Amino acid sequence: EPEVTQTPSHQVTQMGQEVILRCVPISNHLYFYWYRQILGQKVEFLVSFYNNEISEKSEIFDDQFSVERPDGSNFTLKIRSTKLEDSAMYFCASRERTGRTGELFFGEGSRLTVL
Amino acid sequence: AQSVTQPDIHITVSEGASLELRCNYSYGATPYLFWYVQSPGQGLQLLLKYFSGDTLVQGIKGFEAEFKRSQSSFNLRKPSVHWSDAAEYFCAVASNYGGSQGNLIFGKGTKLSVKP
Repeated sequence: EPEVTQTPSHQVTQMGQEVILRCVPISNHLYFYWYRQILGQKVEFLVSFYNNEISEKSEIFDDQFSVERPDGSNFTLKIRSTKLEDSAMYFCASRERTGRTGELFFGEGSRLTVL
Repeated sequence: AQSVTQPDIHITVSEGASLELRCNYSYGATPYLFWYVQSPGQGLQLLLKYFSGDTLVQGIKGFEAEFKRSQSSFNLRKPSVHWSDAAEYFCAVASNYGGSQGNLIFGKGTKLSVKP
C-alpha cells in the first residue's frame, strides 16, 4: 500500500541551527501539508502546498519556516533558526485530490528536539 | 473560530467491552468531521469521516461514529474492543475540505488503553 514517508524519524539539534525535514508523498498526490504536534498538545496545521506554491498557512508558519518541493518527489519543511518551542512531532500529509473523497494520508512523523 | 474538544485524555477499557470516545466541535456551518487513530510509532490513519447524509457512519476496524448536530458531537464507538485497538484517537473538523487547503483542526486526542 502506498504511504507517505518521512525522514528523519528523530532529529536533535541545537537552538539556532537550521533543520530540514523531508517527506516523500504518495506519488500521484497533488496536495501536500505539514502539521505539528507539541508534546501533550493538539495536532496543528502549519501549511498546505499545491502547484508549487503555498495555498494556506497558519499563524504558526512564520518567516522561520519554509516549504519546498525541490525535485517532484520530495516535500521539505525548513526551519531556518530553531527555537526551543519548535520541539515537536512534525507530520507530513498528502492528498490525491480535493473534495469529499480526497483523503489525507499522513506520514509517521519526524520528532524534532531542540536543545 | 472552529475548535474540537475531546474531554477524555485517557480511557481504559477491558478487552471485549464497548467503547465510546467523545468529541464535541464548534463550527457555524455543517462541518466535515473525522476520526483518526495513531498507534505507537505510526502515522495518523483515517478511521471514518462524515460529510453529509446518514448521521451514523461506519469506518474501518469495526468503528462507527454518530453525528448529532443538536449536541455538536461526533462520538466514536465500537461494540467490542480488541487489545490491538490500544492507541491514541483524534477527532478533527475541516471547514474547507473541498478546497486545496484541506486544513484539519484536531482535538487533543484520547489515549485508549485496553486491559486483558
